[in-house]
Amino acid sequence: GAVVSQHPSRVICKSGTSVKIECRSLDFQATTMFWYRQFPKQSLMLMATSNEGSKATYEQGVEKDKFLINHASLTLSTLTVTSAHPEDSSFYICSALWRGGRTDTQYFGPGTRLTVL
Amino acid sequence: QKEVEQNSGPLSVPEGAIASLNCTYSDRGSQSFFWYRQYSGKSPELIMSIYSNGDKEDGRFTAQLNKASQYVSLLIRDSQPSDSATYLCAVCFGNEKLTFGTGTRLTIIP
Repeated sequence: GAVVSQHPSRVICKSGTSVKIECRSLDFQATTMFWYRQFPKQSLMLMATSNEGSKATYEQGVEKDKFLINHASLTLSTLTVTSAHPEDSSFYICSALWRGGRTDTQYFGPGTRLTVL
Repeated sequence: QKEVEQNSGPLSVPEGAIASLNCTYSDRGSQSFFWYRQYSGKSPELIMSIYSNGDKEDGRFTAQLNKASQYVSLLIRDSQPSDSATYLCAVCFGNEKLTFGTGTRLTIIP
């Protein structure tokens, strides 16, 4: 399958700071990437769709000013959690959309575990 | 509202037996269907995709799709302890986004 990387894998920060998470598709170009958040023992929750060269599309209830998404190239999307607070502590996972064959398929990065103190 | 339903489990299966995981979805117009495996603390890993009615086999895994019944399943033959994980059913309703079920936690008992 396709390879998607995320960096950092784990981050601990103080309340009020901003954290940037990078998502890279390593072996294919991804015009579309997705950002998810997962709380313990819950399923994935889609936060936003990131499109190369255009503004991200946010899901209902997700603050676009707090979760800044930039998709500057065909292989890189970044998520910045601005002024992070303890309630933002979660597992953030990106996916890249591989377009091919009969089915477009999302491949997931390894995730970033954010802890806000 | 487009929904994907899974039994949360836990589902316990003896090693070497067949594990059967089920998923139903609400929208008849759904295009494609995916099974992901997620180990605790890790991100989802794609196991199978299916978009046509019938069975699709890949090694020990078989995905089954019945669009008339809005039902998709995953069979794992010769279950191994390493198959113990949460299995997520995901459905694409045609807009590139995936809607995930809550997942079924599977435990393979040695």
